[in-house]
Amino acid sequence: SQELEQSPQSLIVQEGKNLTINCTSSKTLYGLYWYKQKYGEGLIFLMMLQKGGEEKSHEKITAKLDEKKQQSSLHITASQPSHAGIYLCGADPTGSNYKLTFGKGTLLTVNP
Amino acid sequence: GAGVSQSPSNKVTEKGKDVELRCDPISGHTALYWYRQSLGQGLEFLIYFQGNSAPDKSGLPSDRFSAERTGGSVSTLTIQRTQQEDSAVYLCASSPRLALNTEAFFGQGTRLTVV
Repeated sequence: SQELEQSPQSLIVQEGKNLTINCTSSKTLYGLYWYKQKYGEGLIFLMMLQKGGEEKSHEKITAKLDEKKQQSSLHITASQPSHAGIYLCGADPTGSNYKLTFGKGTLLTVNP
Repeated sequence: GAGVSQSPSNKVTEKGKDVELRCDPISGHTALYWYRQSLGQGLEFLIYFQGNSAPDKSGLPSDRFSAERTGGSVSTLTIQRTQQEDSAVYLCASSPRLALNTEAFFGQGTRLTVV
């Protein structure tokens, strides 16, 4: 089975600072999803990456998938309190588009 | 409503009791997904419904778990003879077609605590 490891498990940054969250897979990734979750809320889709070397951006959040397709990074530039939450990476090991395997998440706190 | 609605938002039940969790998807969404999120296991796939097709139940952890979707709309997840390890947040999502991307919306979840 495919396992995803996220690092760090938690992160505290000062508002305005940049940060990076990593997601490493035990197997080749054939679809890597990034979600954000705030306490008491459902998941919010951020981005999906499929091709090696692919990079996508949404507002101040950029996600990359490495060439070997076994690691992804999520980078936030000039963090804001609104970025706080749990970031989850998910993989689609069977190409089902619905049966995702997730990492344990990274808890981000942004101090004003 | 405008989003995916789940009820109850919180449920505390005694070990051995049966519980029913409800999900009201967004109107017109044919795909419906159940996931659960627990401290030990993280987020796990449970079951997927797509229109009138047979659901993919491969993620259900035991035969105490069952789910149905009536009329292609509301879905109910039933857990029989609940155990403490069933304690988790149960999340439901729906989408107009098969895709857990920008078109999929998650509900706020049902927090189940088995005591």
